[in-house]
Amino acid sequence: EAGVTQFPSHSVIEKGQTVTLRCDPISGHDNLYWYRRVMGKEIKFLLHFVKESKQDESGMPNNRFLAERTGGTYSTLKVQPAELEDSGVYFCASSQEMNTEAFFGQGTRLTVV
Amino acid sequence: KNQVEQSPQSLIILEGKNCTLQCNYTVSPFSNLRWYKQDTGRGPVSLTIMTFSENTKSNGRYTATLDADTKQSSLHITASQLSDSASYICVVSASLGGYNKLIFGAGTRLAVHP
Repeated sequence: EAGVTQFPSHSVIEKGQTVTLRCDPISGHDNLYWYRRVMGKEIKFLLHFVKESKQDESGMPNNRFLAERTGGTYSTLKVQPAELEDSGVYFCASSQEMNTEAFFGQGTRLTVV
Repeated sequence: KNQVEQSPQSLIILEGKNCTLQCNYTVSPFSNLRWYKQDTGRGPVSLTIMTFSENTKSNGRYTATLDADTKQSSLHITASQLSDSASYICVVSASLGGYNKLIFGAGTRLAVHP
């Protein structure tokens, strides 16, 4: 069974540009989460999808971040326009039920220069 | 404020030795506590999950303990191997609005040397 996969693994963009990160959850997992770790700090929650609906987006830092999960399968996280402080590692995770174990992808390392 | 504090920040041990990592939390309402291992360039992988009523749980050479009264947990690694070199992250799940929200510690970076 394939795990959670994220694309790309690395992205380097200039300040002001747009970047879109993609996450493919484990097949059949209705719950999809986005997290990020910036500047060596702890991983922090961004948002949670249940199928295509946003269950909780309280962790989204500002309106430059837009997450979608059309059709309840893969999800995208767009940053537009990117700022220097957006640099970090963005993780996606999925779980079958809301309160069961979450499986993480390998992360996308975003560098904004 | 919901927080998870881990110590030490980093640790170096020799192969074959044991070590213990600490986690203190102030998370409410508490649902469960998880220890994850994160290899460089990879996503976190779950080692153990403990609920309020569980005091200890083992996964091979990894043994986690939980004291819900003092809000402390530890992860003990026995007979360390070079492949144990990784970051170990304590994650506490808070039961909020009918579902669990994960709150992460900053991790302990463990290096096992030959």
